[in-house]
Amino acid sequence: NAGVMQNPRHLVRRRGQEARLRCSPMKGHSHVYWYRQLPEEGLKFMVYLQKENIIDESGMPKERFSAEFPKEGPSILRIQQVVRGDSAAYFCASSPTSGGVSYGYTFGSGTRLTVV
Amino acid sequence: QKEVEQNSGPLSVPEGAIASLNCTYSDRGSQSFFWYRQYSGKSPELIMFIYSNGDKEDGRFTAQLNKASQYVSLLIRDSQPSDSATYLCAVNIGRGGNNRKLIWGLGTSLAVNP
Repeated sequence: NAGVMQNPRHLVRRRGQEARLRCSPMKGHSHVYWYRQLPEEGLKFMVYLQKENIIDESGMPKERFSAEFPKEGPSILRIQQVVRGDSAAYFCASSPTSGGVSYGYTFGSGTRLTVV
Repeated sequence: QKEVEQNSGPLSVPEGAIASLNCTYSDRGSQSFFWYRQYSGKSPELIMFIYSNGDKEDGRFTAQLNKASQYVSLLIRDSQPSDSATYLCAVNIGRGGNNRKLIWGLGTSLAVNP
């Protein structure tokens, strides 16, 4: 029973390039959340998605960042024209399709993005 | 006003002692509460969740919830050096269509000294 799968684990991009981060939720989970974390800082919410729908994108920067969760395939967080300030750990989490309020998030191992 | 607050620490306890981690939240409609542990360089992992007033025990961990006072705590008995990590409190406010979104505290750093 695979957990939340994120890839790549490490990603190096030059300034101005595009970064694509992938997340496959756990089996039976249809809710996906993306977070960003800088070293020694807390989790910063970015976006909450269900299949083919963005539920809450209040934490997404207005420009260069986008996210999708298509009917088939993984969720993608896309960062266009990366800048050094985008360097961070990006975590994806998923939660069950059902289960009321007693659910919790399961996190992937994260993608460490380094912009050089 | 922050919605979920935690003392950033570091909280330092000797090995074998009880570590007490606290979290307060602002939304009285909050329905469920979670404690996660995050080791440096790793992703958060769920330790416990609680949604009823009172105590919930799991091994060395006890979560305590007091909805009237709007706080939730985590006690770690017989603390071990391997418990040294950042502990994150998360709260579900159960609001409308966004009812699965968790609101996170910034975490409390715990150091257990041998």
